[in-house]
Amino acid sequence: KQEVTQIPAALSVPEGENLVLNCSFTDSAIYNLQWFRQDPGKGLTSLLLIQSSQREQTSGRLNASLDKSSGRSTLYIAASQPGDSATYLCAVTGNQFYFGTGTSLTVIP
Amino acid sequence: DAGVIQSPRHEVTEMGQEVTLRCKPISGHNSLFWYRQTMMRGLELLIYFNNNVPIDDSGMPEDRFSAKMPNASFSTLKIQPSEPRDSAVYFCASSLVQGSYNEQFFGPGTRLTVL
Repeated sequence: KQEVTQIPAALSVPEGENLVLNCSFTDSAIYNLQWFRQDPGKGLTSLLLIQSSQREQTSGRLNASLDKSSGRSTLYIAASQPGDSATYLCAVTGNQFYFGTGTSLTVIP
Repeated sequence: DAGVIQSPRHEVTEMGQEVTLRCKPISGHNSLFWYRQTMMRGLELLIYFNNNVPIDDSGMPEDRFSAKMPNASFSTLKIQPSEPRDSAVYFCASSLVQGSYNEQFFGPGTRLTVL
């Protein structure tokens, strides 16, 4: 069974700092990896999707990379802002769908 | 597009009662997913449909749970009878699956409390 792990579980950084969130998965037979953000009491908002044939995707200040062979993905957030505070989840799609437990990010003004 | 629509947003019921959660996917999407989120277990996939047909219901916890998708624009998740341990946030998501490409879009969720 696929296992998806996100480390750290929580992260607190000062505004303006660049940061990296990590996602690892045990089965490299995936079709896609998707990054989401979830604000407290809200649904999930899709940030980026990387197909298995791709190495990275970029959207604004966000950059996600994928290394299937090592079972890792990273989400890079440049010049963090207090509005980036949320929980970030990664999800892998293969024959089934698995979510990580998330990283709770706090950006301190 | 209004995005994925779920109703109700909050539901409080008593143990033993029937609960029906509703979902309207994004128009044109061909796949629909039901998830449950709890602090203890995180996000779990319950069932997903492709072209209105259930593809994988292995995540449905037990026979008390059932899901239907009578047409491309509507799905229900029913719990009968409900139990306190069913208390969670239930999310519906939809996607336009093309080959291996599957970007899911989530609704706002239904927060269910079973007393």
